[in-house]
Amino acid sequence: GAGVSQSPSNKVTEKGKDVELRCDPISGHTALYWYRQRLGQGLEFLIYFQGNSAPDKSGLPSDRFSAERTGESVSTLTIQRTQQEDSAVYLCASSLQRGGSYEQYFGPGTRLTVT
Amino acid sequence: GDSVTQMEGPVTLSEEAFLTINCTYTATGYPSLFWYVQYPGEGLQLLLKATKADDKGSNKGFEATYRKETTSFHLEKGSVQVSDSAVYFCALSLYSSASKIIFGSGTRLSIRP
Repeated sequence: GAGVSQSPSNKVTEKGKDVELRCDPISGHTALYWYRQRLGQGLEFLIYFQGNSAPDKSGLPSDRFSAERTGESVSTLTIQRTQQEDSAVYLCASSLQRGGSYEQYFGPGTRLTVT
Repeated sequence: GDSVTQMEGPVTLSEEAFLTINCTYTATGYPSLFWYVQYPGEGLQLLLKATKADDKGSNKGFEATYRKETTSFHLEKGSVQVSDSAVYFCALSLYSSASKIIFGSGTRLSIRP
């Protein structure tokens, strides 16, 4: 079946503008995650959604970052008033979260460049 | 807190050389351990995993053994190929909190023909 998809694949924006990044998880996956990967660095956890539970927002770096998820489907990560340090690849992953399986499947990412 | 420390790169080897990329972790509870790989221009993929002590994960000729006594999960391959050139990430996930994966900083591997 289809994997995790993300859009856009690339986004260039001016400092101060808002951006929205979209993630479509694998159908049937109840858990959805957002990560950030800065150039040459590892992945930083941002936020996690699991079913109808309150999301784990512990990784969001500032109140300029927010995310929503519609049921067990699409998620949108919004960055308001973008700054140059927000430039990174934003990765989305989904997971079945059933039967002890926590394997996460990653999308191709959205490369965000803030000029 | 929970963390993963892995060998800094870049690592450059000749084809058919033996590969080891070291990884150690700090975690409360009983983590699952993973190696993810990111090939040039591609997304992150799970390479192998181990869910309990002494388990060995293996895939594509790569192996890693979950060593609880040394809190390690070193990645090994007996004979690397040019196609193995990629960035490798060691990671852990906590069953008690399945909210996120904690990643190491990644090790870039380049294989010379």
